[in-house]
Amino acid sequence: KNEVEQSPQNLTAQEGEFITINCSYSVGISALHWLQQHPGGGIVSLFMLSSGKKKHGRLIATINIQEKHSSLHITASHPRDSAVYICAAGGGATNKLIFGTGTLLAVQP
Amino acid sequence: GAVVSQHPSRVICKSGTSVKIECRSLDFQATTMFWYRQFPKQSLMLMATSNEGSKATYEQGVEKDKFLINHASLTLSTLTVTSAHPEDSSFYICSAFSDQYNEQFFGPGTRLTVL
Repeated sequence: KNEVEQSPQNLTAQEGEFITINCSYSVGISALHWLQQHPGGGIVSLFMLSSGKKKHGRLIATINIQEKHSSLHITASHPRDSAVYICAAGGGATNKLIFGTGTLLAVQP
Repeated sequence: GAVVSQHPSRVICKSGTSVKIECRSLDFQATTMFWYRQFPKQSLMLMATSNEGSKATYEQGVEKDKFLINHASLTLSTLTVTSAHPEDSSFYICSAFSDQYNEQFFGPGTRLTVL
């Protein structure tokens, strides 16, 4: 069992749909990251969470420390949201991150 | 937000040559930088932690003599892939930890192809 697991692995949505990607982790963390990777590879950091909820535009990230679970929501999805979304857990003294395998999202017009 | 750059973005080299990849934090100082490798359709794997002014800490299974890391300043870390072979072809990504923001910021990555 991976220390950081994401679901679903693949997700196809229609433009405008509300999207949820889930991340569960078994390691102790000081922070959880949500990252976006477009074709071609560049990584963009979306959120870093240690508790509660954060919102940026149409993106919302939540974390439940007790349940060791985080979700990334995309409201009013758009084809340009198509990418791989990766959660990474870790931090602490070493600031090392453990990465989930990613969720490949395709938003169709 | 803080910006991390990598150079080059893409490199193709012949087997047996060495390739240097630079990672720079452009508007903040980073005492710690991380180097990751990503194979196709796989997630990022940490290779090593680069500490300014000291030796890098390598993850298990990563050859330190093959992947030379130098973190000579608070804004620059370099990864040199020595005597590269086709199996070293991969996407290499760095990140830099900002004490100011208490957060890691990722570079855009370098795609290495060894012929």
